Amino acid sequence: DAMVIQNPRYQVTQFGKPVTLSCSQTLNHNVMYWYQQKSSQAPKLLFHYYDKDFNNEADTPDNFQSRRPNTSFCFLDIRSPGLGDAAMYLCATSSKQGYSNQPQHFGDGTRLSIL
Amino acid sequence: KNEVEQSPQNLTAQEGEFITINCSYSVGISALHWLQQHPGGGIVSLFMLSSGKKKHGRLIATINIQEKHSSLHITASHPRDSAVYICAGVTSGSRLTFGEGTQLTVNP
Repeated sequence: DAMVIQNPRYQVTQFGKPVTLSCSQTLNHNVMYWYQQKSSQAPKLLFHYYDKDFNNEADTPDNFQSRRPNTSFCFLDIRSPGLGDAAMYLCATSSKQGYSNQPQHFGDGTRLSIL
Repeated sequence: KNEVEQSPQNLTAQEGEFITINCSYSVGISALHWLQQHPGGGIVSLFMLSSGKKKHGRLIATINIQEKHSSLHITASHPRDSAVYICAGVTSGSRLTFGEGTQLTVNP
């Protein structure tokens, strides 16, 4: 089945140690999103790619970076994770056609813990 | 003030009951998502609608554009429906503005 796959499901890293989360999709969607969701809160958009065009949200910390080497893959890099970065990270995709009116398809998320 | 307001925040029902979750939204939102999230899990998109009504199994979503209001209904509720249901409005650039979610618990 076509889907959005996030790896790993659970990631533990040390304070300050760089970590990379990955997302792949078989939907051939042009748009890919990264969200951060802290406990009992709504997801917060960090950034999104429209094809290769990177769109950063104004309040996303510089500590968070992203790469999209091809249509299928997108990575979230946290350069120096702090305790406050412990959260669920969700990847989503949507089709470019009718950009604003296409549903977003979410992955199962990666839960990041910081020691 | 959030652009998307959901109610109720918490809802407890008995198995078999008809459930309604409401969502009001502000100007600038072109479509609405209804999303489901189980504890510790990812998000499943249930519906996206910009007009009318959609049905999938026991789930029905309606939207009234004039009143800027949407509802999610669950018929014949079941304990496996227990989850957080989130209403999210689509704004410019396909961004989602999320409601605070409704925690639904269906007891057997």
